[in-house]
Amino acid sequence: QSALTQPASVSGSPGQSITISCTGTSSDVGGYNYVSWYQQHPGKAPKLMIYDVSNRPSGVPDRFSGSKSGNTASLTISGLQAEDEADYYCSSYTSSSTRYVFGTGTKVTVL
Amino acid sequence: EVQLVESGGGLVQPGGSLRVSCSASGFTFSSYAMHWVRQAPGKGLEYVSRISSNGGSTYYADSVKGRFTISRDNSKNTLYLQMSSLRAEDTAVYYCVKDRGTGYWYFDLWGRGTLVTVSS
Repeated sequence: QSALTQPASVSGSPGQSITISCTGTSSDVGGYNYVSWYQQHPGKAPKLMIYDVSNRPSGVPDRFSGSKSGNTASLTISGLQAEDEADYYCSSYTSSSTRYVFGTGTKVTVL
Repeated sequence: EVQLVESGGGLVQPGGSLRVSCSASGFTFSSYAMHWVRQAPGKGLEYVSRISSNGGSTYYADSVKGRFTISRDNSKNTLYLQMSSLRAEDTAVYYCVKDRGTGYWYFDLWGRGTLVTVSS
């Protein structure tokens, strides 16, 4: 099971919108609506930001949104803030025995 | 408070063994599958292992199969990962992770992690 593909880095200025892509296959991202996104600040544990492609857990700001088209899922951060600077990982259910696969991770920099 | 607290990490020589633990609180531990996810220094997340709510079913990534054993004690609200024949490439922060529940496929609670360093 190969890791899902994410861009290594994405940057934007405060107030701008950025989008992080997460590309898999029909056996994972494309085949199921079970994509989740996690935010990780340096030295901290990952935090759930989006589940089931586009749902936000309680307490996650609504400037975070998720979507999916074909084998690619996306996380959009609108109105970028300094505190959004972190690493972001996507994850998906997969039909392989592992059941879970992570993305390669994207470092978001707020300029 | 709902939380997971890992312990037991440390420095171990190649070929050695170590057991890391995860103490759960604030939720009904016995109702949820649990997972271990690791992160090597400066690297991404790697899915390692999972165990069903009653401990009857387990899964291991190929990278650790035959060397790691996941287990749980529901009476103590504790998850374990017994690691043996450790290699340098097992060096990582090991996170204890809670499953959202049956029919869901994401992780809704992560511990802070415990660092395992395999080096001579």
